[in-house]
Amino acid sequence: EAGVTQFPSHSVIEKGQTVTLRCDPISGHDNLYWYRRVMGKEIKFLLHFVKESKQDESGMPNNRFLAERTGGTYSTLKVQPAELEDSGVYFCASSLQGGGPYEQYFGPGTRLTVT
Amino acid sequence: AQSVTQLGSHVSVSEGALVLLRCNYSSSVPPYLFWYVQYPNQGLQLLLKYTTGATLVKGINGFEAEFKKSETSFHLTKPSAHMSDAAEYFCAVRPTTDSWGKLQFGAGTQVVVTP
Repeated sequence: EAGVTQFPSHSVIEKGQTVTLRCDPISGHDNLYWYRRVMGKEIKFLLHFVKESKQDESGMPNNRFLAERTGGTYSTLKVQPAELEDSGVYFCASSLQGGGPYEQYFGPGTRLTVT
Repeated sequence: AQSVTQLGSHVSVSEGALVLLRCNYSSSVPPYLFWYVQYPNQGLQLLLKYTTGATLVKGINGFEAEFKKSETSFHLTKPSAHMSDAAEYFCAVRPTTDSWGKLQFGAGTQVVVTP
């Protein structure tokens, strides 16, 4: 069974540009999460999809971030325009069930560097 | 608000020595507790989790953790470190009342294993 995949693995962009990150969850996992780790800090929750619906987007930093999950399969996270403080590692995770003791399966992350 | 504290951002252990990574949470009600590990260039992998029942939890790769409610702790141990244990370790919590499953992470502990 394929795990969670993320693309690209690295992205270097200039301030003001746009970047789109992609996450493919494990097949059949309705719950998809985005997290971010800014250098030296803890991994922080960004948002949660259940199928194609945003269930919780309380962690999204501002309106420069737009997440979508059309059709309830893969998800994209767009940053437009990117700022220096957006640099970090963006993780995607998926799970069969939300809440409870269920495990979230993480992808390898996308390292975003904004210069 | 809930918080997760990992004591020590970097830990160096000798091969064969005990690995002890500390995690404390702040919550009036014990949450679900998780330890994840991230090896270089890989996603986070679940080591073990505590939900209910036995407070000593065994995980993969010889790791175990003990939930101590009185100390609000969930420390991770391994009796004998191996070179392959070099990685970053994350403690995470999820409130049992959370229906949607977002995780709250500690800042991570980088483990270096020396020969």
